[in-house]
Amino acid sequence: GAGVSQSPSNKVTEKGKDVELRCDPISGHTALYWYRQSLGQGLEFLIYFQGNSAPDKSGLPSDRFSAERTGGSVSTLTIQRTQQEDSAVYLCASNQLAGNTGELFFGEGSRLTVL
Amino acid sequence: EDQVTQSPEALRLQEGESSSLNCSYTVSGLRGLFWYRQDPGKGPEFLFTLYSAGEEKEKERLKATLTKKESFLHITAPKPEDSATYLCAVQAHGNSWGKLQFGAGTQVVVTP
Repeated sequence: GAGVSQSPSNKVTEKGKDVELRCDPISGHTALYWYRQSLGQGLEFLIYFQGNSAPDKSGLPSDRFSAERTGGSVSTLTIQRTQQEDSAVYLCASNQLAGNTGELFFGEGSRLTVL
Repeated sequence: EDQVTQSPEALRLQEGESSSLNCSYTVSGLRGLFWYRQDPGKGPEFLFTLYSAGEEKEKERLKATLTKKESFLHITAPKPEDSATYLCAVQAHGNSWGKLQFGAGTQVVVTP
């Protein structure tokens, strides 16, 4: 399909393990975003990539969280030494900033459960 | 600090029973207010962007309005397929594009 693709869709891990979540944005979209949605809470901004500019990492909750975007396309969100409070749905979104209306195109998310 | 509060948390409607959802916000300079719809197990789907007080946008049975302190999403004669969680978000001047502050959402259930 032509939408934002995320993998894995579900991930169960043990406390203390590292996890990697992957996002394939819509082709041609230069901006990519990661959000986190915890049960019963609103979406929480994590990080934003735009072209070759330095990413906006202001939403990352701790230094255990990092993200990279290779070749201006695929992005990976890495969580090191996972904790139970990291359990959430991690959503990736992308858009084309030209003529931006604020519309973000979201993937279906990666559900992370930390035991 | 930017803040978005949505009410009610949940809303149960009979098919055809119109109602409104509220989104109250405080933000240091509003760039835009956004409404999204989210179905279970899916990512949010964009509905509207509103930029200034007095602005209105419509799409099928949905109409969004904006004042300086709040936004309303009116659902007219809803159908069961309108059942979803509706999310409101704001973007402040000076923030990165796409850095949105979301509310917790209103879960709407429309019964036949």
